[in-house]
Amino acid sequence: DTGVSQDPRHKITKRGQNVTFRCDPISEHNRLYWYRQTLGQGPEFLTYFQNEAQLEKSRLLSDRFSAERPKGSFSTLEIQRTEQGDSAMYLCASNGIYNEQFFGPGTRLTVL
Amino acid sequence: QKEVEQDPGPLSVPEGAIVSLNCTYSNSAFQYFMWYRQYSRKGPELLMYTYSSGNKEDGRFTAQVDKSSKYISLFIRDSQPSDSATYLCALPGGANNLFFGTGTRLTVIP
Repeated sequence: DTGVSQDPRHKITKRGQNVTFRCDPISEHNRLYWYRQTLGQGPEFLTYFQNEAQLEKSRLLSDRFSAERPKGSFSTLEIQRTEQGDSAMYLCASNGIYNEQFFGPGTRLTVL
Repeated sequence: QKEVEQDPGPLSVPEGAIVSLNCTYSNSAFQYFMWYRQYSRKGPELLMYTYSSGNKEDGRFTAQVDKSSKYISLFIRDSQPSDSATYLCALPGGANNLFFGTGTRLTVIP
């Protein structure tokens, strides 16, 4: 399977704990995106990488959120001191030279 | 004002019906227009991608763009129960991030 993969698919955590999600993009894609989607809403942009450089951050990405893409391949998204409002689906997408973005299956986070 | 507005529905139609899904957008600078399909608890799947005004057809799906009215549509002919999903319109922003509509939830009843 050469699509975008995400791990884990589901994460349940207690408020105040830290969580980390991983995204593996399509191998030849140099752009990688993180989005957040809450129930009944479309995905909302969080941040964007071109290779290993983080080029854009949304105002939705508070100080508790950090994303990395150390070697320009996979990426991680960490949320520190989780809050109940962080409960959402976290989606990763990648694209190459065209604008079509291909999404992974998402990581569903539940903060108790 | 949001960049993209979409009627959230829900929309229920009988099998075989023609479905019309619509979005409006505010920024005339948008050049690319996309439709994604999202099944429950899955990631969005790219369905259609259009660049210019006019129609683009792919099987039972037709994407229509009217730049003068800032209006985009997705038509589904001969709808099937397997088309039951949430349909999201999306427009690329300055960093190539996508602005999504809220999605329209479609149910096709056998």
